[in-house]
Amino acid sequence: AQTVTQSQPEMSVQEAETVTLSCTYDTSESDYYLFWYKQPPSRQMILVIRQEAYKQQNATENRFSVNFQKAAKSFSLKISDSQLGDAAMYFCAYRWGGGADGLTFGKGTHLIIQP
Amino acid sequence: GAVVSQHPSWVICKSGTSVKIECRSLDFQATTMFWYRQFPKQSLMLMATSNEGSKATYEQGVEKDKFLINHASLTLSTLTVTSAHPEDSSFYICSVPLRDRGNEQYFGPGTRLTVT
Repeated sequence: AQTVTQSQPEMSVQEAETVTLSCTYDTSESDYYLFWYKQPPSRQMILVIRQEAYKQQNATENRFSVNFQKAAKSFSLKISDSQLGDAAMYFCAYRWGGGADGLTFGKGTHLIIQP
Repeated sequence: GAVVSQHPSWVICKSGTSVKIECRSLDFQATTMFWYRQFPKQSLMLMATSNEGSKATYEQGVEKDKFLINHASLTLSTLTVTSAHPEDSSFYICSVPLRDRGNEQYFGPGTRLTVT
């Protein structure tokens, strides 16, 4: 079975600075997707970024980028120019690529933005 | 993106009663929907996969007789918590995969269930 591990329960960063959230996963599959979701206090899940395992190029979305190390099974999220609105829970998630499967989530990282 | 709604957003019920939570896909049809549970300050755990026209698939450890799932139509799935207990109090979230976007999942806003 696949597992997703986030080892940082909480991270704090100064506004406008850069922070990296860590995620490792374990799977025996070769076809899969990885995601970072943001959950603000409203608890609405918001997709931040996604990465297809077959793509070597790291995904980027504006201030958000990932460092995908497939051999190491590592998938970290870098947030540049942190903004107050980035404060939230961030969850790393895995999904098998073969069909419409549910997501396996990590335990999450609470990101605090210091003004 | 796709719009997914849940109803109610918050429900309080007494122990022993049943409560139904609806998940609707408002702008596209979905043969599959997912139900997750999130306890306070914890992560989301997949409970079951709702399949239109067939039985739901439950994850290991989830009681199928307690959490009844009915995929009534291509836009509606319901989760019924039967004989609710205080330990069933949680945040329940549904998601809908959009096939045209590689099965990217769109989440509902969630339902907070409190059992007294």
